[in-house]
Amino acid sequence: GENVEQHPSTLSVQEGDSAVIKCTYSDSASNYFPWYKQELGKRPQLIIDIRSNVGEKKDQRIAVTLNKTAKHFSLHITETQPEDSAVYFCAASLTNAGGTSYGKLTFGQGTILTVHP
Amino acid sequence: KAGVTQTPRYLIKTRGQQVTLSCSPISGHRSVSWYQQTPGQGLQFLFEYFSETQRNKGNFPGRFSGRQFSNSRSEMNVSTLELGDSALYLCASSSPTGLAETQYFGPGTRLLVL
Repeated sequence: GENVEQHPSTLSVQEGDSAVIKCTYSDSASNYFPWYKQELGKRPQLIIDIRSNVGEKKDQRIAVTLNKTAKHFSLHITETQPEDSAVYFCAASLTNAGGTSYGKLTFGQGTILTVHP
Repeated sequence: KAGVTQTPRYLIKTRGQQVTLSCSPISGHRSVSWYQQTPGQGLQFLFEYFSETQRNKGNFPGRFSGRQFSNSRSEMNVSTLELGDSALYLCASSSPTGLAETQYFGPGTRLLVL
């Protein structure tokens, strides 16, 4: 089955710096890669996602890049703010040829991001 | 639209008991997935239901089961509870339309097994 490795496990940055979190996946058939942010005691919330037909996607201060050949994808957060402090999870999923997901996300182990004011 | 809701939010049980957790998806969503979150194992997929059928299953023992009703609400049941079942149980709903199904998570049910 799919396996997702996420690094680093903890990341500490100063406010205004950039943060990069990297994930690798094992199943070359995976074609959907979401990123979730989970604040302490709260539910995981989708912050950005990318599909395998796209190499990069950006939403304001957040961007995700995908390298299908190397089977890795990365989350980039620019101009970090203290409210970005949270646990970030990457995930991988397979959609079938008909475009319908099997509803299974395989998650990385998470990265604890701390942004110091 | 109202988000995904889960009940109860907190639960304390003893070893050997069974427990049933409930998940109400976002209106119109037909797929419900369940995940177990623990500090050691992270987020692990339990199973997914779509139109009342289990469509996918993770690597959990048969003590973990689920079902989905015609209104897409889903329940999961854990029988013969073990200490290691203590975890946050999250459900997520998604719509079957589109290229991929974005999953929206509920707040979770925190289960403590004593």
